Order: sequence, then C-alpha cells, then structure tokens
Amino acid sequence: AQSVSQHNHHVILSEAASLELGCNYSYGGTVNLFWYVQYPGQHLQLLLKYFSGDPLVKGIKGFEAEFIKSKFSFNLRKPSVQWSDTAEYFCAVIALNDYKLSFGAGTTVTVRA
Amino acid sequence: GAGVSQTPSNKVTEKGKYVELRCDPISGHTALYWYRQSLGQGPEFLIYFQGTGAADDSGLPNDRFFAVRPEGSVSTLKIQRTERGDSAVYLCASSPLLGPYNEQFFGPGTRLTVL
Repeated sequence: AQSVSQHNHHVILSEAASLELGCNYSYGGTVNLFWYVQYPGQHLQLLLKYFSGDPLVKGIKGFEAEFIKSKFSFNLRKPSVQWSDTAEYFCAVIALNDYKLSFGAGTTVTVRA
Repeated sequence: GAGVSQTPSNKVTEKGKYVELRCDPISGHTALYWYRQSLGQGPEFLIYFQGTGAADDSGLPNDRFFAVRPEGSVSTLKIQRTERGDSAVYLCASSPLLGPYNEQFFGPGTRLTVL
C-alpha cells in the first residue's frame, strides 16, 4: 500500500510571499499524483495532477508542482500567494493498478493580507 | 451542472444509534467512492463502486459499516451501533469511470458527530 507524507502541518505567510509545500510518498510501483485544495467552507477540488511526461506541471490559480522520481516527491509551489490562497492543501497518490486515492494529512496555509 | 451532493450536511447522533448517509454522484458517473476524514487527517478510503457492485470495500473499518448503490447512481453509507470514534466527515466522490486516470470529484461531505 502507498503512503503519503506532507511535511508541514500549518504554514503562515504574507501576501506576495512564495509558497512551497512538501509531499513525499512511499510506494514500490508507479503512481499518479495529485494536489487537492479545500477552501474554507468549500469541498475538495483538484488543483493539479501528474500522470507522465514533463515533471513540472501547472495547475489552476498559478500553482505548479514538480515530480522528482528519485526523491519520491511532488512538491507544490506558487511564486506569489494571495489572501485567497488561504486553504487546506492535500497531496494524494493513486497506484496505477488501483482506484483509490491515498492522501497526506494536509497542510493548512494561512495568507495574511 | 450539479456536482456531487451529500445529505445531510450534519448529523448528530447518540452512541449506539444507526445512521444513513446519502450521496448523489454527478450524473453519468459510473464510479463512486466513500472516504472518511477525521480531524487533522486527510481523507481515508472506505469503499468504491463501479456501477451497482462494491468493487473494493477493504477500507471499511469493521462490519458495522455497510454501503449500497442499488441502481448504480445514489449511494447510501450505513453505520450500525455508532461509536464516538465514528465521528468524522464522510466524503463521497464520483468519477466518469473507475481508474487511476479519472479525476475524482468530491462532495461537500457529511459531518457525523456521535455523542
């Protein structure tokens, strides 16, 4: 079974600061990778995904993530955050021979205006 | 178009009672998933359906939990003899097809509190 580790539980930063959230997974086979976001009072929604090809993927709202296979990592980045990026962010993986997502514990991001 | 809907949004019950949680997937989505999210944790898989059949129920914690999807659309998660440890947000998701390349669309969840 796969497991996902998110390094930061809570991140607080000011508007215009850069954001990087760490995500590592453990699994012996190939996985697809996802970042989901949950804004306050809203449901989980997909931010971006990686299946194959260019390891740098771009998602909605200026987010991007880089897959580093040798490090089993899929870190999320945004060069300049806005107050509206305040949310909880979840990294998730799914093995190619499976159908269920395995999520990390999540990182709460608070952006101060 | 409508997304995944879940009812009720909140459910408070007493220890030992029976509860049912309902999920309406996106129309046309054949795959349906249930996850459970405890405080401070990410969602954890419970069960998924392809059509009417439970393709994998390995995540159900014990035999007090059961889920059905009799007509391949709406699903109900049933919990018997609830315990305080069952308190969590129960999330439902659906996708067009079952598989690792299909985005799972999540509903707003049902917050279950067992007193």
